[in-house]
Amino acid sequence: DAGITQSPRHKVTETGTPVTLRCHQTENHRYMYWYRQDPGHGLRLIHYSYGVKDTDKGEVSDGYSVSRSKTEDFLLTLESATSSQTSVYFCAAATGPSSGGAFEQYFGPGTRLTVT
Amino acid sequence: AQSVTQLGSHVSVSEGALVLLRCNYSSSVPPYLFWYVQYPNQGLQLLLKYTSAATLVKGINGFEAEFKKSETSFHLTKPSAHMSDAAEYFCAVSDSGGYQKVTFGIGTKLQVIP
Repeated sequence: DAGITQSPRHKVTETGTPVTLRCHQTENHRYMYWYRQDPGHGLRLIHYSYGVKDTDKGEVSDGYSVSRSKTEDFLLTLESATSSQTSVYFCAAATGPSSGGAFEQYFGPGTRLTVT
Repeated sequence: AQSVTQLGSHVSVSEGALVLLRCNYSSSVPPYLFWYVQYPNQGLQLLLKYTSAATLVKGINGFEAEFKKSETSFHLTKPSAHMSDAAEYFCAVSDSGGYQKVTFGIGTKLQVIP
């Protein structure tokens, strides 16, 4: 897992409540990402960060916000959870260009979120 | 915009048989290409990556993939399947600039039959 943890690992919440998922990394990676995984869609990027307090939207950012106040923590908030946000959420991190120039992303174990 | 298409959401092979998982990409610029593996209830793990250094890329666990620009393909192969290869495999593409946002395919679940 390359030093990436996610909490909680499982959560059940009600529609309309705010939810915050935490990603913590210990390898001083500059870049961090939040994805959601749904059957038939693979992984889709929600938000990403390219440094402390530097974040940007991914392809499915509506209804989500993020914050990164420290290098090691990247928080994902569902402002008002809906049933369509029931999913498995993965955090990933990358240091930057590795051999050949590509970013290698390391993934956390995932958080299974159910919105009832 | 970049994208990948994985042909076959489920693939079954017999133990010892060739594994072939198909991936075609679309990218307006020279891409980086990846294969990731996901075991049940785990995160994704990088199997291999293509970065233009060599068209045949060798990865972990005996897997390899060949970049074919003329076919816009990056298929994953393994000569002999093992029971432990049963997992979901994701092909992914990123561009070579900026923050290299990655676009994933929908995944292929590999079943290995004893």
